[in-house]
Amino acid sequence: QSALTQPASVSGSPGQSITISCTGTSSDVGGYDYVSWYQQHPGKAPKLMIFDVSNRPSGVSNRFSGSKSGNTASLTISGLQAEDEADYYCSSYTSSTGIFGGGTKLTVL
Amino acid sequence: EVQLVQSGAEVKKPGESLKISCKGSGYIFTSYWIGWVRQMPGKGLEWMGLIYLGDSDTRYSPSFQGQVTISADKSINTAYLQWSSLKASDTAMYYCARLPLAPYHFDYWGQGTLVTVSS
Repeated sequence: QSALTQPASVSGSPGQSITISCTGTSSDVGGYDYVSWYQQHPGKAPKLMIFDVSNRPSGVSNRFSGSKSGNTASLTISGLQAEDEADYYCSSYTSSTGIFGGGTKLTVL
Repeated sequence: EVQLVQSGAEVKKPGESLKISCKGSGYIFTSYWIGWVRQMPGKGLEWMGLIYLGDSDTRYSPSFQGQVTISADKSINTAYLQWSSLKASDTAMYYCARLPLAPYHFDYWGQGTLVTVSS
């Protein structure tokens, strides 16, 4: 059971949009519509940003959106803000538990 | 308000046993799952396993099966993660987090418990 594949880093300027990809297999990302995304600031616990591929929890900005095509899920952040600088992790359900991606460090230039 | 409060940081020696806790409040404990997530120093998140507080159904990720034990005491709204013999490689931050009845994502997280294993 290998971790889902995410780019190690992405960057963007304030106001721009960025997309983080998350690639798995037909046994996880491609097999279920149960992809979630988490934001983690340094020294803090992760925070749920997207669940079930494209749903936002109450209180999460609509600048965050999720999608999926085949074995690859994506998180898009529009109108980048300085506070978005953090690590982002995708996760997928797979055979009764789950699996995370390796994480992506987002830098806001 | 949903809260998950974890026990404090631990410093242990290799070979020692340990049980850390996660106490839930602000919701019906037995209607949700509690999961455990490991984060080794400077590394990413890893699913360890989860337990359903309604019937104690417990599931482990393959990498952690046999390495740890997840349990709960629903009378005090508390879940546990325990080791029988710690290794230096168990040094990490451990988070508990709540999952809904369909346990596909973590919606609320504890603050984390730092476990340091060193001789």
